[in-house]
Amino acid sequence: DAKTTQPTSMDCAEGRAANLPCNHSTISGNEYVYWYRQIHSQGPQYIIHGLKNNETNEMASLIITEDRKSSTLILPHATLRDTAVYYCIVRVGGTASKLTFGTGTRLQVTL
Amino acid sequence: DTGVSQNPRHKITKRGQNVTFRCDPISEHNRLYWYRQTLGQGPEFLTYFQNEAQLEKSRLLSDRFSAERPKGSFSTLEIQRTEQGDSAMYLCASSLAQGAGETQYFGPGTRLLVL
Repeated sequence: DAKTTQPTSMDCAEGRAANLPCNHSTISGNEYVYWYRQIHSQGPQYIIHGLKNNETNEMASLIITEDRKSSTLILPHATLRDTAVYYCIVRVGGTASKLTFGTGTRLQVTL
Repeated sequence: DTGVSQNPRHKITKRGQNVTFRCDPISEHNRLYWYRQTLGQGPEFLTYFQNEAQLEKSRLLSDRFSAERPKGSFSTLEIQRTEQGDSAMYLCASSLAQGAGETQYFGPGTRLLVL
């Protein structure tokens, strides 16, 4: 699976959009981009995933660049409960394969 | 909404003892994964099952570790002769094999402390 690069930490004011970037310049054509988050002492929570088109669900939006070498997770109106470590993972679709987690981005949402 | 459940949530044991953790996946999910997470790191893959067959094991899974999924439903992870280095959060995830874009859903984890 391709490696990803994320900033170590980010801050965001409550109510503002949080934009979390991820670089995956070696991504292959059959690899999906997945985002998970982990709130302190809990299991990782699935957020969203995509292949090449932008995706949106009730939690977030995922913007993937046309060359697929980077993506951005957008939390449109961050709240204090969004404070967590966010992991960007690329994974081959269509087969059972492990998730390879990096160290993620620690997002701190402040008042 | 019954998600993935894990028991116990916390376990404290003395070095050299055996411990067993249980994972109950989301109903009808045929794939089950075990991960381990140490402080400050992301989860690391240990092993995975498709139905009752264990199809992949990480080199992290030493011979003191064994996992089973006897009827293709719940799974157990046993650690024999625990060592202090085994202290970690043990996470279970499940998924439904459905081709591209399969999603793994995680349980709350079992936190192990070996004294």
